[in-house]
Amino acid sequence: QKEVEQNSGPLSVPEGAIASLNCTYSDRVSQSFFWYRQYSGKSPELIMSIYSNGDKEDGRFTAQLNKASQYVSLLIRDSQPSDSATYLCAVNSISGGYNKLIFGAGTRLAVHP
Amino acid sequence: DARVTQTPRHKVTEMGQEVTMRCQPILGHNTVFWYRQTMMQGLELLAYFRNRAPLDDSGMPKDRFSAEMPDATLATLKIQPSEPRDSAVYFCASGPEGGQPQHFGDGTRLSIL
Repeated sequence: QKEVEQNSGPLSVPEGAIASLNCTYSDRVSQSFFWYRQYSGKSPELIMSIYSNGDKEDGRFTAQLNKASQYVSLLIRDSQPSDSATYLCAVNSISGGYNKLIFGAGTRLAVHP
Repeated sequence: DARVTQTPRHKVTEMGQEVTMRCQPILGHNTVFWYRQTMMQGLELLAYFRNRAPLDDSGMPKDRFSAEMPDATLATLKIQPSEPRDSAVYFCASGPEGGQPQHFGDGTRLSIL
């Protein structure tokens, strides 16, 4: 069973701090990795994608990928209360000759003033 | 701003009734996905279409669920007969060739009484 594992949280951080969200995956041949943000009662929203080892920065968000360790993370700098949401890690998996995404259960982030 | 459009947004009906959910993918996207989200199971892939052809519907209960794409601008998910355990949020997502990244619609919140 190909899996994506995330700590369910809640991860509680003070406003202005760095929030660090982690994800591990089991499929060694995965090539594409995504972070989605989901506010309560809303749909998942794509915020970051990463395809190669290392860091990718976009504004306050940095995605980090280490394929050897099968580990992907999301850092949120200068956390704001508006960042409070569930963050879903998604990893591509090739099954039956086609590509699909496997989602983790999500980590709930709470940023308190 | 291109969006995946889902209708209806909410549906409440009695057990045994037929439920039809509709999805208009982003123009130009040729992959369409149906997901179900519950607190217990998280995001589950129900069906996957590419160029209107079903590639994978292994996640769907075959006896009561069916998914179709009558044309490139419309995907449907039907449940007949519906059961209380089908109560969940159903999301449609679409993506370019290769399936990723996926963009989600606002979802249909389904309650079966």
